[in-house]
Amino acid sequence: NAGVTQTPKFQVLKTGQSMTLQCAQDMNHEYMSWYRQDPGMGLRLIHYSVGAGITDQGEVPNGYNVSRSTTEDFPLRLLSAAPSQTSVYFCASSYSGTHGNTIYFGEGSWLTVV
Amino acid sequence: AQSVTQLGSHVSVSEGALVLLRCNYSSSVPPYLFWYVQYPNQGLQLLLKYTTGATLVKGINGFEAEFKKSETSFHLTKPSAHMSDAAEYFCAVSDDSGGGADGLTFGKGTHLIIQP
Repeated sequence: NAGVTQTPKFQVLKTGQSMTLQCAQDMNHEYMSWYRQDPGMGLRLIHYSVGAGITDQGEVPNGYNVSRSTTEDFPLRLLSAAPSQTSVYFCASSYSGTHGNTIYFGEGSWLTVV
Repeated sequence: AQSVTQLGSHVSVSEGALVLLRCNYSSSVPPYLFWYVQYPNQGLQLLLKYTTGATLVKGINGFEAEFKKSETSFHLTKPSAHMSDAAEYFCAVSDDSGGGADGLTFGKGTHLIIQP
């Protein structure tokens, strides 16, 4: 059971380049989400999904696209990278258990935009 | 809208002393509350969570937290600090009883420093 898998772990991009951060979970969770972590800001929600084919914006969605074609995968796309998108990105998945929600995080993807 | 306030971006305690990390939240519905720990260059690890029931929640590594509705607080404590507790700690809230569907709202984090 791999849990939540993020790739790549480290990436350097040039301004204006595009890339996709991959996120996959093997727990058949309904819910998936992406966060970014910046110093002194905690984690902020970028986009989330409550099921295949359904996505919605979080607190900081600008500059990012997502899609959820399968239950397992929730890729995050940067269409035209900017230095302000230098951050650590975390993917999470969750389900609704009898004792509330249980949320699992990936190990993070460190992105630098130069 | 929900929000989380962690009082103190840095907290320093001596090894063996009490650890107290403060978290206050706002939520329009009964909250689900979480504490996560993050070691340098690593992901987030769940320490403990409050959903319903007992307001004193015990977690891993000797940590516990108490949900106080009247004070809208969920402070994290540990009786005796160890050097290995040095890390970043995040408090988070969700008002979604359906499984964190719309994500968590995090505080800005508290960096715990342990003095030898």
